[in-house]
Amino acid sequence: TQLLEQSPQFLSIQEGENLTVYCNSSSVFSSLQWYRQEPGEGPVLLVTVVTGGEVKKLKRLTFQFGDARKDSSLHITAAQPGDTGLYLCAGMDSNYQLIWGAGTKLIIKP
Amino acid sequence: NAGVMQNPRHLVRRRGQEARLRCSPMKGHSHVYWYRQLPEEGLKFMVYLQKENIIDESGMPKERFSAEFPKEGPSILRIQQVVRGDSAAYFCASSPTSAYNEQFFGPGTRLTVL
Repeated sequence: TQLLEQSPQFLSIQEGENLTVYCNSSSVFSSLQWYRQEPGEGPVLLVTVVTGGEVKKLKRLTFQFGDARKDSSLHITAAQPGDTGLYLCAGMDSNYQLIWGAGTKLIIKP
Repeated sequence: NAGVMQNPRHLVRRRGQEARLRCSPMKGHSHVYWYRQLPEEGLKFMVYLQKENIIDESGMPKERFSAEFPKEGPSILRIQQVVRGDSAAYFCASSPTSAYNEQFFGPGTRLTVL
């Protein structure tokens, strides 16, 4: 059974701090996606990474795909209350199925 | 361009009743996916459909659950004889191409079974 483990499961920090959340697996993925979900809403796609070692930036968010395409990280610089939400990673396996992590619940306190 | 639409947003059913959840994909998208999410948990894949075809139903419970995506109209997730354990948020996503890539999610239907 393929698993994507996200850590930490829960993170609460003050506005202005930096943070990193991780998405790890023993399986190789052809691509990996990061989503953010706010309470009462569906997940919204933030980014897709495809190439091992790839780094993508979205304003204060930096996404990295591991060299072996088994893991990924999301780094947020100077977090703001608007960053609060559930961050989900999903990897596409060799059968073209999306394998989902359980999410990191992030709270940014003003 | 309207996004993925789901209705109803909230659905309350008593044990033993039927629940019908509807999903209209984004315009131009012919691939639909259904997921279930329990509170404080990630998404659990249920089923992947194209028009008039079920492509992958490996995440669907063997009994009481069915899904369809007819040639005309929305995709329907149907739960017969609901039980309290069916209470969850059900999300629909659509994509323009196959291979599960870049899915766009609807706002979800929150099912409560009394």
